[in-house]
Amino acid sequence: DAGVIQSPRHEVTEMGQEVTLRCKPISGHNSLFWYRQTMMRGLELLIYFNNNVPIDDSGMPEDRFSAKMPNASFSTLKIQPSEPRDSAVYFCASSLVGGSYEQYFGPGTRLTVT
Amino acid sequence: KNEVEQSPQNLTAQEGEFITINCSYSVGISALHWLQQHPGGGIVSLFMLSSGKKKHGRLIATINIQEKHSSLHITASHPRDSAVYICAVALQTSGSRLTFGEGTQLTVNP
Repeated sequence: DAGVIQSPRHEVTEMGQEVTLRCKPISGHNSLFWYRQTMMRGLELLIYFNNNVPIDDSGMPEDRFSAKMPNASFSTLKIQPSEPRDSAVYFCASSLVGGSYEQYFGPGTRLTVT
Repeated sequence: KNEVEQSPQNLTAQEGEFITINCSYSVGISALHWLQQHPGGGIVSLFMLSSGKKKHGRLIATINIQEKHSSLHITASHPRDSAVYICAVALQTSGSRLTFGEGTQLTVNP
C-alpha cells in the first residue's frame, strides 16, 4: 500500500483565499483524522471520521474550517477564508476504528498564508 | 496542567548511550502511542500499548497502567535516532481521539 496520501505537499496562498487540502487514507482503514501542528500548540486533532461520518469536530477552530469525507477513500479539509494564523503543517492519518489501533500519518501539507 | 506530560523536553546523547524518555498522564486511557517525527517532518507510529512492554529492534516501550506512566527506551543510540518523540494517549472517554504530549527533542551526536 502507498500509505496515506496528502496533497498538495506545500501550499502558499494569500489571506482571504480558499484553501483545500486533500487526503486519501490507507485502503481498508475506516477512521480518518485531520491534525494541525504549529510551534506554539504542537499537534492538535481537528476532526475525525469513523466510516465516513464525522465523530468529533471539537478541535475545528472556527467556522472558516470545514471537513468532508464523501467516501471511504477521500477526505478534504477546507479553509475559507484563510488567515495568516492558519499557517501550519496539516497532517491526515488513518487507522482501523477505535483508539487501540495504530494511526498511520500522511506526509503532511505545509500551509503558508501570507 | 496538561493531561500528557513528557520528560525531558530536550535530550542530547552520545552515540551508543542508552536513552529513556518518559510520559505521564493523568486520566484513564484505552491506549498509549509513541510517535517519531523526523527532522523532515514525517510522523511514524512506533508503538501502541495498552499494557506491558513491546520491543522493536533497539526500541523498547513499557507502560504501567496503575502508575499512569510509560517509558520509551533506545538502546545503543545512533545519530539517525535524532528526532522528536511524541507520546499520545487515547482517553477512555474520547474514543479514537488522541491527546498529545509536547514531544521530546532527541539529538544523538557521533
